[in-house]
Amino acid sequence: AQTVTQSQPEMSVQEAETVTLSCTYDTSESDYYLFWYKQPPSRQMILVIRQEAYKQQNATENRFSVNFQKAAKSFSLKISDSQLGDAAMYFCAYRSAGGAQKLVFGQGTRLTINP
Amino acid sequence: KAGVTQTPRYLIKTRGQQVTLSCSPISGHRSVSWYQQTPGQGLQFLFEYFSETQRNKGNFPGRFSGRQFSNSRSEMNVSTLELGDSALYLCASSPGTVYEQYFGPGTRLTVT
Repeated sequence: AQTVTQSQPEMSVQEAETVTLSCTYDTSESDYYLFWYKQPPSRQMILVIRQEAYKQQNATENRFSVNFQKAAKSFSLKISDSQLGDAAMYFCAYRSAGGAQKLVFGQGTRLTINP
Repeated sequence: KAGVTQTPRYLIKTRGQQVTLSCSPISGHRSVSWYQQTPGQGLQFLFEYFSETQRNKGNFPGRFSGRQFSNSRSEMNVSTLELGDSALYLCASSPGTVYEQYFGPGTRLTVT
């Protein structure tokens, strides 16, 4: 079974600075997807970014980028120019490439933005 | 397009009762998945439906069941509620296998 580990329960960053959230995963599969989801106090899960395992290029979405290290099974999220609206719980998630849409989530990292 | 909607948003039930939660996916999405979120266990996969067929099921007791209708709307049912069933239940929809999932706002269930 696949597992996802987020070793940082809480992180904080000054507004406008850069922060990196860590995620490691364990799988024996070679083809899969990785995601970062954001859950603000409203509890609505919002997709931040996705990465296909077969792609070597790291995904980027505006101020959000990932560092995907397949051999090390590491998938970190970098948030540049942090904004107050970035404050939320961030979840790393894994999904197998074939078949069902089952996401395996990490325990989450609570990100606080200091003004 | 309208997002994923879930009803009701909040629910209070008594131990032993049963409950039905509803999820309407984004128009055109055929896959609907359900997740349970609790402070202790985090986010756990319940089951997924695709074109009215259950395609995958998580490690939950048989008291948790679901179904999907021909219009892709989905319901999940929990019978004989226990205190530990208190959670945020999230529904997510997707157009298909290679696509990401989009989540609804959740239903907060409290069992007393």
